[in-house]
Amino acid sequence: AQSVSQHNHHVILSEAASLELGCNYSYGGTVNLFWYVQYPGQHLQLLLKYFSGDPLVKGIKGFEAEFIKSKFSFNLRKPSVQWSDTAEYFCAVNAQGNNRLAFGKGNQVVVIP
Amino acid sequence: NAGVTQTPKFQVLKTGQSMTLQCAQDMNHEYMSWYRQDPGMGLRLIHYSVGAGITDQGEVPNGYNVSRSTTEDFPLRLLSAAPSQTSVYFCASSLDREPSYEQYFGPGTRLTVT
Repeated sequence: AQSVSQHNHHVILSEAASLELGCNYSYGGTVNLFWYVQYPGQHLQLLLKYFSGDPLVKGIKGFEAEFIKSKFSFNLRKPSVQWSDTAEYFCAVNAQGNNRLAFGKGNQVVVIP
Repeated sequence: NAGVTQTPKFQVLKTGQSMTLQCAQDMNHEYMSWYRQDPGMGLRLIHYSVGAGITDQGEVPNGYNVSRSTTEDFPLRLLSAAPSQTSVYFCASSLDREPSYEQYFGPGTRLTVT
């Protein structure tokens, strides 16, 4: 079964700072990769996803992620955060051909105006 | 198109009580699943279904039952609530084929067991 690791559970940064959240997974086969965001009091929304092709994926709200197969990583980045990016971010993975998602424990990001 | 809906939004139960959390989707998705979210634990899969009449256990199924009699509905039953089941529960659905494994989440049910 696949598993997902996210580090630095709590991140505090100022507006306009750059954000990078790490995600590593363990699974020997081909995977689909996702980043979800949960704004305070809301449900999970998809930020971006990777199935195949260009390993640099652009998502909504200026987020992007890079899949590095050799490192089993799918790190999320945003060059300049805003206060409205305050949220919890979850990395998730499923094995291709299998819909079961495994989630990381999440990163709580707080952006200070 | 309402997407994934869940009821109720909030519920307080006493230990030993039973209840059903409702989940419905109107996107004709084959795959539906239930997760629980606890602080610092991320989302953990409770049960899932790949179609009407087909269900299977996830990572943390104990204390929960599910059934899938229609494509649209996937209720989660707590047979005898325990304080350890205090959590936020999310239902999700998706198509069950490549490449569209993107899961759509409902708004959640916040359950407190006293």
